Amino acid sequence: DTEVTQTPKHLVMGMTNKKSLKCEQHMGHRAMYWYKQKAKKPPELMFVYSYEKLSINESVPSRFSPECPNSSLLNLHLHALQPEDSALYLCASSQSPGPSGANVLTFGAGSRLTVL
Amino acid sequence: EDKVVQSPLSLVVHEGDTVTLNCSYEVTNFRSLLWYKQEKKAPTFLFMLTSSGIEKKSGRLSSILDKKELSSILNITATQTGDSAIYLCAVDNYGQNFVFGPGTRLSVLP
Repeated sequence: DTEVTQTPKHLVMGMTNKKSLKCEQHMGHRAMYWYKQKAKKPPELMFVYSYEKLSINESVPSRFSPECPNSSLLNLHLHALQPEDSALYLCASSQSPGPSGANVLTFGAGSRLTVL
Repeated sequence: EDKVVQSPLSLVVHEGDTVTLNCSYEVTNFRSLLWYKQEKKAPTFLFMLTSSGIEKKSGRLSSILDKKELSSILNITATQTGDSAIYLCAVDNYGQNFVFGPGTRLSVLP
């Protein structure tokens, strides 16, 4: 299994809603990532989990709350979002964080979020 | 601050043409350079380059790294309309992060 699975594929939410994006991988990867991608821009890193611990938070507003329940799962909880948060949210994983061995980022298909 | 630059940002060619996409980087610690192709959704992995001068090849696509010049090129020969996509270059800087370039938007016209 060489896939990263994201759900839902599309999400429309109001500014007062609470929703979650989910990501799952069964490749034994120990690093998992959330990226945000706006139209015609490259992916922008939000969070990195390394061995299930949050290792990087790129100054993301607290209305985005990541969670890594176990080594295969990564969630992104959304609350009180703004219309400018509308974007494609990409989950990715890589085999081994840190200095040991070269890594390939494997991306999920993304969750396209629209905030009304 | 680590930086990855790609050129051109946009390119329009006709089927059958050969294209060369460029990526250059300035990072404090370099481990590898990766190329991805992004169509409508998630980026898909093309190549990972770690050693200078060794060409990686997959069908009509090939890529090579020049560590002295801190750069890489991605070549696509005999382009097809299905090659139309954004090509992203990313550098693994040992920092649990991958620094992405802005991408090159390639359009292949029939």
